[in-house]
Amino acid sequence: DGGITQSPKYLFRKEGQNVTLSCEQNLNHDAMYWYRQDPGQGLRLIYYSQIVNDFQKGDIAEGYSVSREKKESFPLTVTSAQKNPTAFYLCASMAGAGDEQYFGPGTRLTVT
Amino acid sequence: GQNIDQPTEMTATEGAIVQINCTYQTSGFNGLFWYQQHAGEAPTFLSYNVLDGLEEKGRFSSFLSRSKGYSYLLLKELQMKDSASYLCAVRDSTSGTYKYIFGTGTRLKVLA
Repeated sequence: DGGITQSPKYLFRKEGQNVTLSCEQNLNHDAMYWYRQDPGQGLRLIYYSQIVNDFQKGDIAEGYSVSREKKESFPLTVTSAQKNPTAFYLCASMAGAGDEQYFGPGTRLTVT
Repeated sequence: GQNIDQPTEMTATEGAIVQINCTYQTSGFNGLFWYQQHAGEAPTFLSYNVLDGLEEKGRFSSFLSRSKGYSYLLLKELQMKDSASYLCAVRDSTSGTYKYIFGTGTRLKVLA
């Protein structure tokens, strides 16, 4: 089955630790995106990548880092520099112009 | 700048029709999308408009006026399962890449 997977669904970390969220897609999509969603809020763009080995900062990139070494994979690292990391993180991919984004199931990160 | 506005919450009765409005401001408009999101889940794609006019898809229709920076999502024959948040998103291509800007979402409650 084609789709986007994110793991784990729930993640707990202590403050001061870096944590990496996984995002994998087998849709052969070029573009991939990371969003953050806080309770009662819309989606805010963290990073996005249009092609392998290239990515751009979104609106709230501070405290996050990404890599895009393979087309299928776009992992997001939440560093200890991120002030309020507790949130619902969504990964998405897009085939090309004129197409909609497809979302993964999300990872709910809790940092205490 | 970039801005998207939509009402925070709406209530409607099962079987009725509801219209959710969205206004936007962006310099590199490249399409408007509507997504449905149930609590704790990922958004799912509903509709896409890039040209002015109405797009119909079963019980859901979406309208776009680019000159007015305005869109609406029309839901007919409301069902209880339509209780969800509805996200308006604009795709922007100002930077030469495709970036999505999301509104904060409209939480729709369908009452029996």
